[in-house]
Amino acid sequence: NAGVTQTPKFRVLKTGQSMTLLCAQDMNHEYMYWYRQDPGMGLRLIHYSVGEGTTAKGEVPDGYNVSRLKKQNFLLGLESAAPSQTSVYFCASNRIAGGAYEQYFGPGTRLTVT
Amino acid sequence: RKEVEQDPGPFNVPEGATVAFNCTYSNSASQSFFWYRQDCRKEPKLLMSVYSSGNEDGRFTAQLNRASQYISLLIRDSKLSDSATYLCVALTTDSWGKLQFGAGTQVVVTP
Repeated sequence: NAGVTQTPKFRVLKTGQSMTLLCAQDMNHEYMYWYRQDPGMGLRLIHYSVGEGTTAKGEVPDGYNVSRLKKQNFLLGLESAAPSQTSVYFCASNRIAGGAYEQYFGPGTRLTVT
Repeated sequence: RKEVEQDPGPFNVPEGATVAFNCTYSNSASQSFFWYRQDCRKEPKLLMSVYSSGNEDGRFTAQLNRASQYISLLIRDSKLSDSATYLCVALTTDSWGKLQFGAGTQVVVTP
């Protein structure tokens, strides 16, 4: 049971390049989330999904797109990277059962846009 | 204004001492609260859930004051391994498991 995994762990992009971050979970969770974490800002929700085939915008969705074609995978895309997207990206998942709402996080992707 | 605010610290604590810090929230619809722990450059992990007025888990005690809209975390008998950033998190009634995270309070336990 690997929990939540993220690929890649590190990446450096030039402004204008595109990339896709992959999140996978093997816990059969319905809900998945993408966050970014910047110094002094805390975790901010980018997009989330409440089930296979569904996605919704979070707090800071501009410049990002997502897809949830399979229940276990949640992809985050940057179509044209900007230096403001330099951040640490965390994926998380949970199964809302019993009101626990515990979110399980992946190890993060450290992205630098130059 | 951030929905969840925390003193960033750092709180420098001698090993064996007690440390406590608060978190305030602005959304009165927040129904559940959590403390997550985040080690340097690692992912957050759930430390405690706070559903009613508070709860205790070993050396950790969390208290909730709904009237004043704050949550506190107290760590007794601090260990070196308690050094981390503690994230205060709130869940509102209108969300589908969407959480509001504070920016975190850094705790440094010294020998």
